[in-house]
Amino acid sequence: EAGVTQFPSHSVIEKGQTVTLRCDPISGHDNLYWYRRVMGKEIKFLLHFVKESKQDESGMPNNRFLAERTGGTYSTLKVQPAELEDSGVYFCASSQSGINEQFFGPGTRLTVL
Amino acid sequence: GDSVTQMEGPVTLSEEAFLTINCTYTATGYPSLFWYVQYPGEGLQLLLKATKADDKGSNKGFEATYRKETTSFHLEKGSVQVSDSAVYFCALSDPTGTASKLTFGTGTRLQVTL
Repeated sequence: EAGVTQFPSHSVIEKGQTVTLRCDPISGHDNLYWYRRVMGKEIKFLLHFVKESKQDESGMPNNRFLAERTGGTYSTLKVQPAELEDSGVYFCASSQSGINEQFFGPGTRLTVL
Repeated sequence: GDSVTQMEGPVTLSEEAFLTINCTYTATGYPSLFWYVQYPGEGLQLLLKATKADDKGSNKGFEATYRKETTSFHLEKGSVQVSDSAVYFCALSDPTGTASKLTFGTGTRLQVTL
């Protein structure tokens, strides 16, 4: 069974540019989460989808971040325009309904110059 | 709000040494508690978990006991190996549902040498 996959693994962009991160959850997992770890700090929650609906987006830092999950399958996280403080590792995780265990992807390392 | 505090790293140990990584938490109610591990170049993997007070989670020789009286979930291993070198994250999840966000600590890097 394939795990959670994320693309790209690394992205280096300049301030003001746009970047789109993609996450493919484990097949059949209705719950999809985005998290972010800024250098050396804790991993912070960004948002939670149940199927295609946003269940909790309380962690989204500002309106430069837009997450979608069309059709309840893969998800994208767009940052537009990117700022220096957006640099970090973005993790995606998924879980089955009714089971409190999240499976994480390898992360996307975003560097904004 | 909920929070998790982990001991600062890095922790450097010789192979076969005893490991303790401290973790304490602040939460309302009775959260579920987790330890995740991130090996170099890989994503986070669930190492062990405990869902109620006095539960002991264990896996791969690692153990942690959910202590409500001290709000702690310290990770221990009796004899570490070089292959245990990784970053360890303590986390909790809100008790009000089975599908809820995780709150993480800052992570503790463990380096095991021969």
